[in-house]
Amino acid sequence: GDSVTQMEGPVTLSEEAFLTINCTYTATGYPSLFWYVQYPGEGLQLLLKATKADDKGSNKGFEATYRKETTSFHLEKGSVQVSDSAVYFCALSSSNTGNQFYFGTGTSLTVIP
Amino acid sequence: EAGVTQFPSHSVIEKGQTVTLRCDPISGHDNLYWYRRVMGKEIKFLLHFVKESKQDESGMPNNRFLAERTGGTYSTLKVQPAELEDSGVYFCASSQEGGAGVLGEQFFGPGTRLTVL
Repeated sequence: GDSVTQMEGPVTLSEEAFLTINCTYTATGYPSLFWYVQYPGEGLQLLLKATKADDKGSNKGFEATYRKETTSFHLEKGSVQVSDSAVYFCALSSSNTGNQFYFGTGTSLTVIP
Repeated sequence: EAGVTQFPSHSVIEKGQTVTLRCDPISGHDNLYWYRRVMGKEIKFLLHFVKESKQDESGMPNNRFLAERTGGTYSTLKVQPAELEDSGVYFCASSQEGGAGVLGEQFFGPGTRLTVL
């Protein structure tokens, strides 16, 4: 079945450091891929998405490229800020699975000044 | 426009008791989903409503869980009787027709944190 494997956390970085959170997936069809973020005390928010191979999703300085050959969707940001501290979830969804989401375990990021 | 809302935000109950969680989706969203995150693990799909009908309930863990969506508006998820392993955060999400894979994204609520003692 479909699944997502996400880099274990927690991750602690200094402000302005480079961030990579790895995500790989297994899917039978052609899924859309997502990164969701949950800030402390809030719900899940869509951070970025990509709907087909080689698409790059980007938002708030974060980027992720849909790599079909490596079945990956790694999240990157060149310079993190304290306000980026949150839990990040990689997810996939496809019409093959009724559009339900399959999530990774989440990666907690803490950025220290 | 209001987002997806969930009530309560936290619930602490004893094993064997009953708890009912509520989700109000974004107005006009036909699709409503329930998910659960058990401590430290992935967020897992529970079920999917299209309007008032259960489209997919393959993720419901057992018959102690009952979800309803009368009238196709808000939804409730009842756990009866609750067990220790039911503790976790229950998320609700809604989307317009077509769902995330076709037309856009699922919008998530803040979640209900359930603790069963």
